[in-house]
Amino acid sequence: AQKVTQAQTEISVVEKEDVTLDCVYETRDTTYYLFWYKQPPSGELVFLIRRNSFDEQNEISGRYSWNFQKSTSSFNFTITASQVVDSAVYFCALGPGNQGGKLIFGQGTELSVKP
Amino acid sequence: EPEVTQTPSHQVTQMGQEVILRCVPISNHLYFYWYRQILGQKVEFLVSFYNNEISEKSEIFDDQFSVERPDGSNFTLKIRSTKLEDSAMYFCASGVDKTGLGETQYFGPGTRLLVL
Repeated sequence: AQKVTQAQTEISVVEKEDVTLDCVYETRDTTYYLFWYKQPPSGELVFLIRRNSFDEQNEISGRYSWNFQKSTSSFNFTITASQVVDSAVYFCALGPGNQGGKLIFGQGTELSVKP
Repeated sequence: EPEVTQTPSHQVTQMGQEVILRCVPISNHLYFYWYRQILGQKVEFLVSFYNNEISEKSEIFDDQFSVERPDGSNFTLKIRSTKLEDSAMYFCASGVDKTGLGETQYFGPGTRLLVL
């Protein structure tokens, strides 16, 4: 069975702190994709990053970085120097290697960044 | 930048009524999806649509639900006889462009459905 677990339901930090959101996944597929989406209070789902199972290189985009570790089936997301605008629910998702397959979402982590 | 659009943004209906949620996917995408999110919960897959037919559906997507692509741009989700438990945010998404690339699904802003 495919599954995504985000064990942290809520995280609260003070502005400028670094914060890491954890994501652990389960799949028997050898080819798959992992995603992070952001859901701000307005409700939309904003795509942040996609990573395929063959690419374990960490990625950095501005204050955001992602650590993909196949050995531990984890795809963690770190925000450096958090800002109030980072406050949102963050979802990790697993997608199959075949074209057009469904996404399996985790429960989401609600991040609150206080000034 | 192209985006997925959805209408209406909010819909309130009485139990037992039919509702149609509308979506305009990104124009060069081939796969279309509906997901739902009950308040405070995770996003759940409902159905995917490709080449004018359903390619995959979840257990949630029972006979009360149907999807249609009535023209070259719109993609609709119909709930025939709404129940209280259908109250949720419904997201449309599209992905996979005509080159066959692009596994990312891009989501619309959602329609918040409230069944009374």
